[in-house]
Amino acid sequence: ETGVTQTPRHLVMGMTNKKSLKCEQHLGHNAMYWYKQSAKKPLELMFVYNFKEQTENNSVPSRFSPECPNSSHLFLHLHTLQPEDSALYLCASSQWDGGTEAFFGQGTRLTVV
Amino acid sequence: AQSVSQHNHHVILSEAASLELGCNYSYGGTVNLFWYVQYPGQHLQLLLKYFSGDPLVKGIKGFEAEFIKSKFSFNLRKPSVQWSDTAEYFCAVYTGTASKLTFGTGTRLQVTL
Repeated sequence: ETGVTQTPRHLVMGMTNKKSLKCEQHLGHNAMYWYKQSAKKPLELMFVYNFKEQTENNSVPSRFSPECPNSSHLFLHLHTLQPEDSALYLCASSQWDGGTEAFFGQGTRLTVV
Repeated sequence: AQSVSQHNHHVILSEAASLELGCNYSYGGTVNLFWYVQYPGQHLQLLLKYFSGDPLVKGIKGFEAEFIKSKFSFNLRKPSVQWSDTAEYFCAVYTGTASKLTFGTGTRLQVTL
């Protein structure tokens, strides 16, 4: 238990579906992140939120749409995905003052068919 | 842009063997350095971190890492590995840019009995 909870743990979706990934942190952190973990690639930072404001969008395709309604919750809305988007999507949180440890959730294993 | 290189992609060791995993980064300024570990089926968790001070840092489970500024390296070591150390190990660098961590591709460590 890391204090960062992601749901669902597994998701299979068709290319025309719309789904959402959810992340919740109970650590009092003010920064939240989405990472994509694919086999044999570095963890790719997708989005950064600081105090609910998006501060980084790392050239992510628009078929991924993040939402951060408050400092404790983060969503990733998915629509018209491609098979190459299949990966493990990780949520993390930290304090914004920089350089401190990031706490990760267990991830959502996404398969696009 | 900063980058992190982990040259060992897959390492196989026998129990009690010594371990050293390489990590090099490219950034000329001040950095915070991390090693994360991901055990099979589990979330990423912090193994150890370096912010400043003694360049030899000790982490959990007998791991240590040495920051060598002149070599832009932060190698992970353990004198005697155990079967339970089988996991994937990720090096990460924080440079203060948008409060994000940049990860390496990871090293899969397999410890045999």
